[in-house]
Amino acid sequence: EVQLVESGGGLVQPGRSLRLSCAASGFTFDDYAMHWVRQAPGKKLEWVSSISWSSGNVAYADSVKGRFTVSRDNAKNSLYLQMNSLRAEDTALYYCGKDLEPIAAGGIDYWGQGTLVTVSS
Amino acid sequence: QSVLTQPPSVSAAPGQKVTISCSGSSSNIGNYFVSWYQHLPGTVPNLLIYDNNKRPSGIPDRFSGSKSGTSATLAITGLQTGDEADYYCAAWDRSLSVVLFGGGTKVTVL
Repeated sequence: EVQLVESGGGLVQPGRSLRLSCAASGFTFDDYAMHWVRQAPGKKLEWVSSISWSSGNVAYADSVKGRFTVSRDNAKNSLYLQMNSLRAEDTALYYCGKDLEPIAAGGIDYWGQGTLVTVSS
Repeated sequence: QSVLTQPPSVSAAPGQKVTISCSGSSSNIGNYFVSWYQHLPGTVPNLLIYDNNKRPSGIPDRFSGSKSGTSATLAITGLQTGDEADYYCAAWDRSLSVVLFGGGTKVTVL
């Protein structure tokens, strides 16, 4: 059974940093691209970032480019999102998702339950 | 950054059919596969359609996807109250080098 479990969310002050993690199991992790997708309260889904199976291809939404860094450790079956210079508008539920393909193609077939990030003073 | 355009809402009576459009460009839908997601309140998003028209196992054939040029469509037939949710299209965009999600469409069963 495929499982994706996010962690690392919490309350953080504007301008500070937070690192999200996603522990994957039930599939061959290094065969697939991975994504971070978020949903702010009352808002729509927003794609944040993706990383290919080998970490050779990474991509970011304009809203987080230069502040967030996605990475993965295939030996640990884990995905990460380092979030720096956090802003109030980054407040959201952050989902980790598995792509259908080794390189991100937008087809996310499994999603974690999400971890909540709240940016507030 | 959402350049995939969906109608904000659609509605129909139980048993009827609804279609949701997703309009893009040659940078995204025109040259890449489209996927569709169902997001019920308080739950995790669920992949309904991938590669324009393929259904993952477990997704009923009431849900179907199609693509023509730079637009895609999700059709839901035999509408049920349990289908009330937000629906999103998504595709890779080669100009922006990002995954684009549409703005989402709320389906209401009257």
